[in-house]
Amino acid sequence: AQSVTQLGSHVSVSEGALVLLRCNYSSSVPPYLFWYVQYPNQGLQLLLKYTTGATLVKGINGFEAEFKKSETSFHLTKPSAHMSDAAEYFCAVITYRFRGGADGLTFGKGTHLIIQP
Amino acid sequence: ETGVTQSPTHLIKTRGQQVTLRCSSQSGHNTVSWYQQALGQGPQFIFQYYREEENGRGNFPPRFSGLQFPNYSSELNVNALELDDSALYLCASSPGTSGSEETQYFGPGTRLLVL
Repeated sequence: AQSVTQLGSHVSVSEGALVLLRCNYSSSVPPYLFWYVQYPNQGLQLLLKYTTGATLVKGINGFEAEFKKSETSFHLTKPSAHMSDAAEYFCAVITYRFRGGADGLTFGKGTHLIIQP
Repeated sequence: ETGVTQSPTHLIKTRGQQVTLRCSSQSGHNTVSWYQQALGQGPQFIFQYYREEENGRGNFPPRFSGLQFPNYSSELNVNALELDDSALYLCASSPGTSGSEETQYFGPGTRLLVL
């Protein structure tokens, strides 16, 4: 079974500062990894995903994440925070079941990103 | 291309009642998944349907059931509601052609309150 740990339920950064949201996963098979963002009273929007290939993945709104197999990590970064980045961020993992079909996404508990002016 | 829509947006029920939540997937998407998001938590996978058949299930009891229809709509039914069923219920659709690496597109959710 897979699991996701997001370190820090709340992260506060100043506008213009680096954003770093941490995600570690546990999976017995090669994972597919996702970051989603959720604004208040809205559903989830995909920021980026890693499936195979290049380990540095670029997403929307200037976010990127690096898959590090040796560290079982998939941390999300953005060089310069903007006020509009304030939201809840979820890291998620999915793995193919061996006999076919697919399990659903397993999400972390989320990190609330606060941007200070 | 329309996105994923869900209805109703909010719902209040009492313990023991039954509820049906509805989702309309993006056109052409053969896979729909349902998630439960309790307050302050990440979404939890309930089940997934592919071409009208259940394709996978999370750790939820049988009183959570679903249906998927040929017109890309689907339902989540919950019987014998319990107070802990109060949550945001999210529907997500994906094309269903390349498996787990596909992006799941989420709807805005239905917020259910059980009193």
